[in-house]
Amino acid sequence: DSGVTQTPKHLITATGQRVTLRCSPRSGDLSVYWYQQSLDQGLQFLIQYYNGEERAKGNILERFSAQQFPDLHSELNLSSLELGDSALYFCASSVAGANNEQFFGPGTRLTVL
Amino acid sequence: KNEVEQSPQNLTAQEGEFITINCSYSVGISALHWLQQHPGGGIVSLFMLSSGKKKHGRLIATINIQEKHSSLHITASHPRDSAVYICAVKGYGGSQGNLIFGKGTKLSVKP
Repeated sequence: DSGVTQTPKHLITATGQRVTLRCSPRSGDLSVYWYQQSLDQGLQFLIQYYNGEERAKGNILERFSAQQFPDLHSELNLSSLELGDSALYFCASSVAGANNEQFFGPGTRLTVL
Repeated sequence: KNEVEQSPQNLTAQEGEFITINCSYSVGISALHWLQQHPGGGIVSLFMLSSGKKKHGRLIATINIQEKHSSLHITASHPRDSAVYICAVKGYGGSQGNLIFGKGTKLSVKP
């Protein structure tokens, strides 16, 4: 158990819908990262937050947004969902910046029908 | 060309064999990570290294910064080592400040 929790574990929804994925980092970790893993693209970095502020942005679509709250949990919002958004979404956390070891949550499997 | 290349893509070994997985990268990096992804999907961080060699149990990771190459070795492999092993590098600054992943090496260890 990495200490990082993600909810829900599975999510099935329809095209055009909006969903919210939630992540709670390990106790004491200030950075939260979101990653997408699809069959054809592999793992891709989406976005990083550090202590409530956006720190780095990767291949995140404009339909996707994220935030980190004062209690350090984070949410990833996916809207106007398309079939191609079906993937595993992982959250990871680290003590500080990305030079530190990252601890991964169990992932949320999103299926868009 | 991908910034992070792993070889082989698939590897089948007999229990007890010594295993090597390779990772080559083309960007300047500040750190390299080796991750293990279990068949159920969970990801575990095995090593983070920026120079030299690290060892944890039967796992050894090495990195050669000049050659832009890293290897992950598993000694006395066991069926429970069956998983996908992923190399990821951390570049410098901005959006390169976070991890760039290889496509993974799928390892199957037969009893």
